[in-house]
This record gives sequence, structure tokens and C-alpha cells, in this order.
Amino acid sequence: LAKTTQPISMDSYEGQEVNITCSHNNIATNDYITWYQQFPSQGPRFIIQGYKTKVTNEVASLFIPADRKSSTLSLPRVSLSDTAVYYCLVGDMNTGFQKLVFGTGTRLLVSP
Amino acid sequence: NAGVTQTPKFRVLKTGQSMTLLCAQDMNHEYMYWYRQDPGMGLRLIHYSVGEGTTAKGEVPDGYNVSRLKKQNFLLGLESAAPSQTSVYFCASSTTKRPGRDEQFFGPGTRLTVL
Repeated sequence: LAKTTQPISMDSYEGQEVNITCSHNNIATNDYITWYQQFPSQGPRFIIQGYKTKVTNEVASLFIPADRKSSTLSLPRVSLSDTAVYYCLVGDMNTGFQKLVFGTGTRLLVSP
Repeated sequence: NAGVTQTPKFRVLKTGQSMTLLCAQDMNHEYMYWYRQDPGMGLRLIHYSVGEGTTAKGEVPDGYNVSRLKKQNFLLGLESAAPSQTSVYFCASSTTKRPGRDEQFFGPGTRLTVL
């Protein structure tokens, strides 16, 4: 399983764009990159998933360079409610499921 | 749909006692998982199941047993609880692989304290 490395914490202000970068140097050909969000006392919640290039949904964008050794989660115009822990994971789709390995994540604090 | 539910929400045990945590999902998902999360740490996979009647070990399976007798339920058992098993336990479920949207749905968690 590919190991991921993320910053331990980040600070931002309301209305700013936040970019969280994750390093996964040992990513395998069949691995997808997935990001989850976790609020205190809640289970993680899926944000976005991608394989290469750029993926965008209603809450975030995911940028993946050609070598796929890193990825960047972009949160546009964050609000106080985006304060949470963000996890970057890689997983092999071809096993039929993802045996996800959650690291310690990035703790994002959004201030007024 | 209720999604993924967990019973109980809180529990305090004494060392050596046993208990079972129940996870139920109403989304007809094939795959189910049990994780534990310790303070300041990410989630670690205990056991998982790829279908009714099947289970497999995850990253930290020692001291736990699981059963998947029904597709919608996944039980986590502690036969002889130890203080090291004090943690928050999360159950999750997912369906067959859907590239680009292969997500796990998590329950609200069970906070277990072993004295």
C-alpha cells in the first residue's frame, strides 16, 4: 500500500482558497487517489477521487500531475465550517475494494 | 435511508469483559469495514468483509473478532477487553468498485473506554 505524506496542519481565513498537497511517491499503476474530510466526533466523509489530471466536483478540485507522485486538494473560498481534518489516501481499485490507509491527515483551521 | 448506524454510541468496560459492537447499513453494500481511531491519529483498519459470510484481517486485528452473517450487519467483538482497546470505533460500508466515486460511508462511531 502506498504511503502518503501530508502537512500536519494548515491555517487559513474565510474566503481564501486552500490547497493541501499530498505526497505519494510509491503510488502504483492501479491506485486511485481519494480525499476524505473528518469533523470532530464524526466519521470521515468522502470529498473527491481521481486517477490523473484534474477532477472537480461541487465542493473541491483535485489536481494530479502526470507522474502521479503527488496530488493537491483545492478548496475554493473556505468558510469556518471547512475547519476539519483532511485525509489523503491511495487505494487499488482492482482488488474490488479499497483497503484504505489513513495517515494522520492535515488539520485545517479556518479563522474569521 | 439511515445509511450506516452503530450501536452503542458509548460504552465503558472493565478489563476482561466482553462486548459486541453492531454495525448496520441499509444501502445494500457488499463491503463493510471496522476501524479504530485513537487520539490525534488517523483511522486504522481492524477487519473487513467483502460479502456475507466472509471476513478478513486488516492492519490491527489482534484482540478482535468479526462476523458477517447478514449482508446488512457487521459485528465487532472484543472477547477480553484491555485498556489498549480504548478508542473510537468506526464502521463503514461501500459498494462494488466505481472508478472515480469509490467511497466508503462511515457511521457515527462508538466511543469505548476500558478501565
